[in-house]
Amino acid sequence: GAGVSQTPSNKVTEKGKYVELRCDPISGHTALYWYRQSLGQGPEFLIYFQGTGAADDSGLPNDRFFAVRPEGSVSTLKIQRTERGDSAVYLCASSQQGGNEQFFGPGTRLTVL
Amino acid sequence: GENVEQHPSTLSVQEGDSAVIKCTYSDSASNYFPWYKQELGKGPQLIIDIRSNVGEKKDQRIAVTLNKTAKHFSLHITETQPEDSAVYFCAASRYNTDKLIFGTGTRLQVFP
Repeated sequence: GAGVSQTPSNKVTEKGKYVELRCDPISGHTALYWYRQSLGQGPEFLIYFQGTGAADDSGLPNDRFFAVRPEGSVSTLKIQRTERGDSAVYLCASSQQGGNEQFFGPGTRLTVL
Repeated sequence: GENVEQHPSTLSVQEGDSAVIKCTYSDSASNYFPWYKQELGKGPQLIIDIRSNVGEKKDQRIAVTLNKTAKHFSLHITETQPEDSAVYFCAASRYNTDKLIFGTGTRLQVFP
């Protein structure tokens, strides 16, 4: 079946702008995760949804970052007033209810000029 | 806080040789340890995982071992092939649906 999909694949924006990144999880997966991966590093956790609610948002770096999952499926990561340091690949993963295995999408490469 | 260390950062082997990547975790409550393979421009792909009630798991040319006492786990790839070339990440989590804490990655190059 279809895996996790993310759009756009690439996003270039200017410092101070607002961006939205979208994630479509595997159908039927109730858990959804966002991670951020800087060049040469491992993915770093941002936020985790179980259904519609954010079960753990301890990884969000500051209040410019926000994520939603209004219907328990698609999720949007929103970044306000982007900074050059926000440049990274943003990865989304999903897993089945009660499952450990997280399956990742291809990521969105965000570049803030 | 939770931390996962991974070594080596780069590894070059001849095709057919074995490759071993080692990780150490700090959180003694961790009980799930997946390994991911990431190719250039792609997301991480789960290749094998192990839970704390098991010491070793094998899947064809790939095996993972876990030493909970020492908080070490390792990935072993035998009979390496050029297509095994990628960046490999270890990770750890505490319970089902918990966030993954990743290592810093190992770039594996397999020369034909």
